[in-house]
Amino acid sequence: NAGVTQTPKFRILKIGQSMTLQCTQDMNHNYMYWYRQDPGMGLKLIYYSVGAGITDKGEVPNGYNVSRSTTEDFPLRLELAAPSQTSVYFCASSQGLAGVETQYFGPGTRLLVL
Amino acid sequence: AQTVTQSQPEMSVQEAETVTLSCTYDTSESDYYLFWYKQPPSRQMILVIRQEAYKQQNATENRFSVNFQKAAKSFSLKISDSQLGDAAMYFCAYRSRAGGTSYGKLTFGQGTILTVHP
Repeated sequence: NAGVTQTPKFRILKIGQSMTLQCTQDMNHNYMYWYRQDPGMGLKLIYYSVGAGITDKGEVPNGYNVSRSTTEDFPLRLELAAPSQTSVYFCASSQGLAGVETQYFGPGTRLLVL
Repeated sequence: AQTVTQSQPEMSVQEAETVTLSCTYDTSESDYYLFWYKQPPSRQMILVIRQEAYKQQNATENRFSVNFQKAAKSFSLKISDSQLGDAAMYFCAYRSRAGGTSYGKLTFGQGTILTVHP
């Protein structure tokens, strides 16, 4: 069982370049999330999705876009990379049912914008 | 909006000893969940323990236990018999139990780096 997978593991971007961070989960979870973690800080929510076709902004959505065409995939798009987007990006998923569901995290993507 | 504060940037403990990590939070909600996540150098976020706010009994998972003080909005993590493998960054997190599209979002504290000395 792979859980939540993310690609790439590490990427260097030049200012102004674009890229898509991939996230896939094989647990049939309804809820998926994108977080960023800046050095020495906790995670902040960028975008989330409560199901295929439904997405919403989190705390820090500026400079990012998402889509959710399938239950399994939740890609994060950076259109014009800026140095402020240098961070580690985590994708997570949860079933979303009532109760204390666990958010399962991917291994993270480290992004460096120069 | 909810906030989570971890006032200890770093803590250290001797192997086999006990250490307590502090967490406070601010919310106007009465029903919510609290979590402790561990992030080792591999960066993988691992759930350590969770607490439902409506339960008065403190959660326990093997060597990990919490002291949940709802009125004081405090949620500390106690690690007993510390092991070298416990060394990691620990994050406290809050999740609302309210419905709607905000359901499921986690709010994290800044983290506490735990060092375990042999």
